[in-house]
Amino acid sequence: DSGVTQTPKHLITATGQRVTLRCSPRSGDLSVYWYQQSLDQGLQFLIQYYNGEERAKGNILERFSAQQFPDLHSELNLSSLELGDSALYFCASSAGLARETQYFGPGTRLLVL
Amino acid sequence: GDSVTQMEGPVTLSEEAFLTINCTYTATGYPSLFWYVQYPGEGLQLLLKATKADDKGSNKGFEATYRKETTSFHLEKGSVQVSDSAVYFCALRASFGNEKLTFGTGTRLTIIP
Repeated sequence: DSGVTQTPKHLITATGQRVTLRCSPRSGDLSVYWYQQSLDQGLQFLIQYYNGEERAKGNILERFSAQQFPDLHSELNLSSLELGDSALYFCASSAGLARETQYFGPGTRLLVL
Repeated sequence: GDSVTQMEGPVTLSEEAFLTINCTYTATGYPSLFWYVQYPGEGLQLLLKATKADDKGSNKGFEATYRKETTSFHLEKGSVQVSDSAVYFCALRASFGNEKLTFGTGTRLTIIP
């Protein structure tokens, strides 16, 4: 158990809908990262937050957004969902910005029908 | 940009066989290198890491040596077990800029009793 929790574990929704994925980092970790794992794109970095502020952006679509709250949990919002958004979404956390190890949660599997 | 190239899978071996999964990278400077493992239905777990040239990471019988001259970080294990069946991801983190991980495509390993 990495100490990173993600909810829900599975999500099935329809095209055009909006969903929210939640992540709680390990106790004391200030950095949260979101990654997407899909069959065609592999594992890709989406976005990073550090202590409530956006730190870095990767291949994140404009339909997707994220935030990190004062209690350090993070949410990834996916809107106007398309079939191609079906993927496994991972959250990871690390202590700070000193390039510490990233620990991954179990992921949320999203299926868009 | 940074990239990681992994040995194509899937790989099928008999129990107690020797394992090598090749990984090479492209990056400027001195990135940190990682192997993550994903067991069926689970998230990513850090298997081992190396943060500078000639470092050897090891864990659970797996080893990988950071070779700057060949830009490689091959994963090896002397005697695999059925429980090692999983998908293995090689990843790098750049030595400067943001802290995101760049992953290879993953190698699915199946061990036959």
